[in-house]
Amino acid sequence: DGGITQSPKYLFRKEGQNVTLSCEQNLNHDAMYWYRQDPGQGLRLIYYSQIVNDFQKGDIAEGYSVSREKKESFPLTVTSAQKNPTAFYLCASSVTSSSNQPQHFGDGTRLSIL
Amino acid sequence: AQSVTQLDSHVSVSEGTPVLLRCNYSSSYSPSLFWYVQHPNKGLQLLLKYTSAATLVKGINGFEAEFKKSETSFHLTKPSAHMSDAAEYFCVVVGGATNKLIFGTGTLLAVQP
Repeated sequence: DGGITQSPKYLFRKEGQNVTLSCEQNLNHDAMYWYRQDPGQGLRLIYYSQIVNDFQKGDIAEGYSVSREKKESFPLTVTSAQKNPTAFYLCASSVTSSSNQPQHFGDGTRLSIL
Repeated sequence: AQSVTQLDSHVSVSEGTPVLLRCNYSSSYSPSLFWYVQHPNKGLQLLLKYTSAATLVKGINGFEAEFKKSETSFHLTKPSAHMSDAAEYFCVVVGGATNKLIFGTGTLLAVQP
């Protein structure tokens, strides 16, 4: 089945540690996105990539980094500079970044601090 | 700038009764609008989308939404609620030149037996 796979489902981070969240899609989509979801809030955009080897900061990029070396993969690193990393992280993709293209979401990674 | 407001944070209905989830948007031009549903600890699933074609949009699982430009609204409805509809629903507008999705804060729908 085509879709978006996020791993791991649950992740724990120690103080001062960087962690990387995986996102893989087999939909042949050009655009990929990372969102952060906190209770009672909508999703907020961290980073997005419209095409391979290119990415842009979203609304809350501080303390995060990404890479887009392959079309199907868009890993997110939560660095130690992100002081409040506990959240539900969602990866999405779309055919292109055009406004009428809906985004398809993975099942998320829940990150907690030890 | 584009924005979206979901007017109710929680809605509770009885099984078999109609569902109405309200959404108002702000946009300086003709927007693209979506409704997504999220079940606990899951990603978001697209219910329906409006992209300047028919103003009444039919989606999956019996949901539909009507785009009303004069009221800047895009309310989600379903004639008869099912227990499996209990979830959180997000209204989304596509924002500006970057085509970023701008999410409402969500409406949690509870369905009582």
